[in-house]
Amino acid sequence: EAQVTQNPRYLITVTGKKLTVTCSQNMNHEYMSWYRQDPGLGLRQIYYSMNVEVTDKGDVPEGYKVSRKEKRNFPLILESPSPNQTSLYFCASSLSFRPGDGGYTFGSGTRLTVV
Amino acid sequence: DAKTTQPTSMDCAEGRAANLPCNHSTISGNEYVYWYRQIHSQGPQYIIHGLKNNETNEMASLIITEDRKSSTLILPHATLRDTAVYYCIASNAGNMLTFGGGTRLMVKP
Repeated sequence: EAQVTQNPRYLITVTGKKLTVTCSQNMNHEYMSWYRQDPGLGLRQIYYSMNVEVTDKGDVPEGYKVSRKEKRNFPLILESPSPNQTSLYFCASSLSFRPGDGGYTFGSGTRLTVV
Repeated sequence: DAKTTQPTSMDCAEGRAANLPCNHSTISGNEYVYWYRQIHSQGPQYIIHGLKNNETNEMASLIITEDRKSSTLILPHATLRDTAVYYCIASNAGNMLTFGGGTRLMVKP
């Protein structure tokens, strides 16, 4: 089944403890992206990648890192999580970044709580 | 991305067509109209997109006015499982889609 898989689904952590949220897609998609969703603020893009070794900042990149060493994987790294990074996170992938090439496939989400 | 305006919420009777409007009066010629939906806190789901012509797939139909200033997403036979927030996005930036507030569609028995 074509899908985007995120792990973990739920995570509670403490301030300052480094964590990684994994994202993997099995559709050979070029483009991958991370969003966070917060009440009243909607979905906001954190980082995106147009292909292997090509990443760029979205609207809210502060406090996050990403890497794209392989086409299928796009992990989100929080080096020193803070409570304001408590949020619902979604990974997405798309065939390409070219407009009109189709829509994004989203993962099921990771609910992160930083205490 | 061009600004889009959608009603905050709508109701629809189960089995009837749900017509969700979207205004994008400042859309530019190369911006596509995309529709996504999000059921509760699940990941958003891509529904359909179009540039100028009307489009139909297994989920829905997209009707774009001739001047491209507005569009309508049509779910032909709404079911309870279509209850969700529906997002209309006008964009030519394939690398970044900006999600607004969307329309909360409630399908009622």
